[in-house]
Amino acid sequence: DGGITQSPKYLFRKEGQNVTLSCEQNLNHDAMYWYRQDPGQGLRLIYYSQIVNDFQKGDIAEGYSVSREKKESFPLTVTSAQKNPTAFYLCASSTSEGSGNTIYFGEGSWLTVV
Amino acid sequence: QQQVKQSPQSLIVQKGGISIINCAYENTAFDYFPWYQQFPGKGPALLIAIRPDVSEKKEGRFTISFNKSAKQFSLHIMDSQPGDSATYFCAAKVETSGSRLTFGEGTQLTVNP
Repeated sequence: DGGITQSPKYLFRKEGQNVTLSCEQNLNHDAMYWYRQDPGQGLRLIYYSQIVNDFQKGDIAEGYSVSREKKESFPLTVTSAQKNPTAFYLCASSTSEGSGNTIYFGEGSWLTVV
Repeated sequence: QQQVKQSPQSLIVQKGGISIINCAYENTAFDYFPWYQQFPGKGPALLIAIRPDVSEKKEGRFTISFNKSAKQFSLHIMDSQPGDSATYFCAAKVETSGSRLTFGEGTQLTVNP
């Protein structure tokens, strides 16, 4: 099936540790995104990439890092510099340009700091 | 910062009633306005979208109304059903600037049987 696969679904992290969330898509989309979701705050953009080997900071990039070495993969690393990392993380993808290009989301990953 | 303000934060409707969620935006360059539906523990999914060249778009029980002069748009769910209980997000973007969407804060809809 075509879609976006995020893993793991649930992840626990100790303070001071870096963790990496995986995102893979087989939709042949050029653009990929990472959003963070907290209750009552909607979806906030962390990083996005419109093409391989290029990415831009979103609204809340501090404490996060990404890479885009392959078109289908866009992993997110939550570093120890992120002060409040407990959240629901959503990966998404879309065609890069064109009118009305729909953004498709993965099932999300829950990260809890313990 | 470009913003999209959404209200109400939560909404409770009886089965068969009309659910109305409102959004207001600031950036007059926005020209694409989608609504997303999210069930608990799942990623959001596109529900319906509108462009400012029309004032209304209907798909089944879901209707978007768009008021360009007021910079507002709203989602109406007719004959609301318990299965519609979810969180709804409005969003907006400038299509020529690529795919980056600005989301509203979300509305948690509960439809009571």
